[in-house]
Amino acid sequence: KAGVTQTPRYLIKTRGQQVTLSCSPISGHRSVSWYQQTPGQGLQFLFEYFSETQRNKGNFPGRFSGRQFSNSRSEMNVSTLELGDSALYLCASSLGVRERYEQYFGPGTRLTVT
Amino acid sequence: KNEVEQSPQNLTAQEGEFITINCSYSVGISALHWLQQHPGGGIVSLFMLSSGKKKHGRLIATINIQEKHSSLHITASHPRDSAVYICAVGRNTDKLIFGTGTRLQVFP
Repeated sequence: KAGVTQTPRYLIKTRGQQVTLSCSPISGHRSVSWYQQTPGQGLQFLFEYFSETQRNKGNFPGRFSGRQFSNSRSEMNVSTLELGDSALYLCASSLGVRERYEQYFGPGTRLTVT
Repeated sequence: KNEVEQSPQNLTAQEGEFITINCSYSVGISALHWLQQHPGGGIVSLFMLSSGKKKHGRLIATINIQEKHSSLHITASHPRDSAVYICAVGRNTDKLIFGTGTRLQVFP
């Protein structure tokens, strides 16, 4: 089976712009979680989607949003980008809900905001 | 104080040595995860456990729920084990909380 794929792998944006990142889970997986990793804060949970519904969300401002499609693919959007949004954004998929099933991580999207 | 603490922060070892990385947490949890991150960012889930002990190849993970403590052991370490090891805890549907990671370097 193909692993979790994320596109794009690298992205450079300017402050104030918006960005959309995409995550394709492993075939058959219904849960997708998103994480942000920065040198200062480490890994932080953004949100989780299961069967097109957001199950929970981390402590991030409303500029961070996401959605999941019927084929389980997920997108996350960040509007009005700030310098502090520069980070590695990782998604992970699991067969079922995150707390019961092992997660498989994608390679990440490295976002640089200038 | 962080809800998830890992020790040590950095660890160097000679090939073949037995390695232990510790994780302590302060919240009630339903599961604990050990993750491995290589340079370049890719993360691999090593273990997900809620009690006892799990073994996969040269890796062993244990958890003591009463003491709120978990350990990751690597037997017969190898340079390819060099990576950052991250502990994360979750409680039911709550978000995962991550430790700051342990950077391991194994020299030949």
